[in-house]
Amino acid sequence: EAQVTQNPRYLITVTGKKLTVTCSQNMNHEYMSWYRQDPGLGLRQIYYSMNVEVTDKGDVPEGYKVSRKEKRNFPLILESPSPNQTSLYFCASSHVGAPYEQYFGPGTRLTVT
Amino acid sequence: DAKTTQPPSMDCAEGRAANLPCNHSTISGNEYVYWYRQIHSQGPQYIIHGLKNNETNEMASLIITEDRKSSTLILPHATLRDTAVYYCIVRVEDGNKLVFGAGTILRVKS
Repeated sequence: EAQVTQNPRYLITVTGKKLTVTCSQNMNHEYMSWYRQDPGLGLRQIYYSMNVEVTDKGDVPEGYKVSRKEKRNFPLILESPSPNQTSLYFCASSHVGAPYEQYFGPGTRLTVT
Repeated sequence: DAKTTQPPSMDCAEGRAANLPCNHSTISGNEYVYWYRQIHSQGPQYIIHGLKNNETNEMASLIITEDRKSSTLILPHATLRDTAVYYCIVRVEDGNKLVFGAGTILRVKS
């Protein structure tokens, strides 16, 4: 089954404790992206990757890192989480360009206290 | 990418067609119209997309006006499970970025 998986699905952590949210896709997609969703602000892109070893900033990259060492994986790293990073995070993937649709993961709800 | 305008919310009776409008008056010739939906904090789900012609798939139909400045997503027989936020997005032909607006909250009522 074609899917994007994220782990963990729920995470409560404390300020400053490094964490990684994993994202994996099984569709051989070149493009992968991370979004965060906050009430009243909608979905905003954090980082994206057009292919292995190619990453770039989205609209809200501050406080996040990513890596793309393998085509199927695109982890999101919070080196020193802060409460303003409490959010619902989605990973997405697709082939490059239109008209390919993007597939989204189930989401990771992160709470930073 | 062109901006889109959608009504904030709509109601629809179960079993009836749901018609969700979207205005994209600044759309360019190489921009596609995409529709996604998000059911209660789940990951957004692709519904349909089109460039110029009307499109239909197993989920919905997309009607694009001849001048391409607006479109309508049609769910032919809405069910309670179609209650969701529906996003209309325009995207350039060679771009991957999706810019989500506020969308339309569709409430299907029995």
